[in-house]
Amino acid sequence: DVKVTQSSRYLVKRTGEKVFLECVQDMDHENMFWYRQDPGLGLRLIYFSYDVKMKEKGDIPEGYSVSREKKERFSLILESASTNQTSMYLCASFSPLFYEQYFGPGTRLTVT
Amino acid sequence: RKEVEQDPGPFNVPEGATVAFNCTYSNSASQSFFWYRQDCRKEPKLLMSVYSSGNEDGRFTAQLNRASQYISLLIRDSKLSDSATYLCVVNSMDSNYQLIWGAGTKLIIKP
Repeated sequence: DVKVTQSSRYLVKRTGEKVFLECVQDMDHENMFWYRQDPGLGLRLIYFSYDVKMKEKGDIPEGYSVSREKKERFSLILESASTNQTSMYLCASFSPLFYEQYFGPGTRLTVT
Repeated sequence: RKEVEQDPGPFNVPEGATVAFNCTYSNSASQSFFWYRQDCRKEPKLLMSVYSSGNEDGRFTAQLNRASQYISLLIRDSKLSDSATYLCVVNSMDSNYQLIWGAGTKLIIKP
């Protein structure tokens, strides 16, 4: 069974803190994605990775960075958290066989 | 103009009714189309792919109209458990593996 896990379901951080969100998949997928989801805006792509140590900017990369040191793990980093980064963060991995994205349960981040 | 547009709803529908959603996409070269379902406070999950000839999965029917650039989802004999947000998704022209997401249509089935 497909599984994508994220390190936290809920997170509260202060403005200016460095925040790490981790995502792990057990399906040996090469492609992984980080999205944020805000009401009325849908899922917006922050970064994606198509292989270890490879990364590409998505539509809204400003204020974020990523790390992919191992195939199964894709980390999202907020270098200096700001209140406008309060959001739901969703990680996904992609199966080219089924052409389907599988999501983790999400991390609801609040920056105060 | 958004690349994928949906009516946000909510659609309030009595149990047992038939409900239909439409979604429009802007890039006529798009090739792959999907409906994902997202329950409240949960992650999105694939409901069904949308094929050119239309496809059916139980009570759910998906249709694609390339000429008008819209996708539809029809739910027959709706159940309380169908209450969710339905996300229209189209493949990105930038990469085969990227998807472009609509903001979703919220459906509430009432007893």
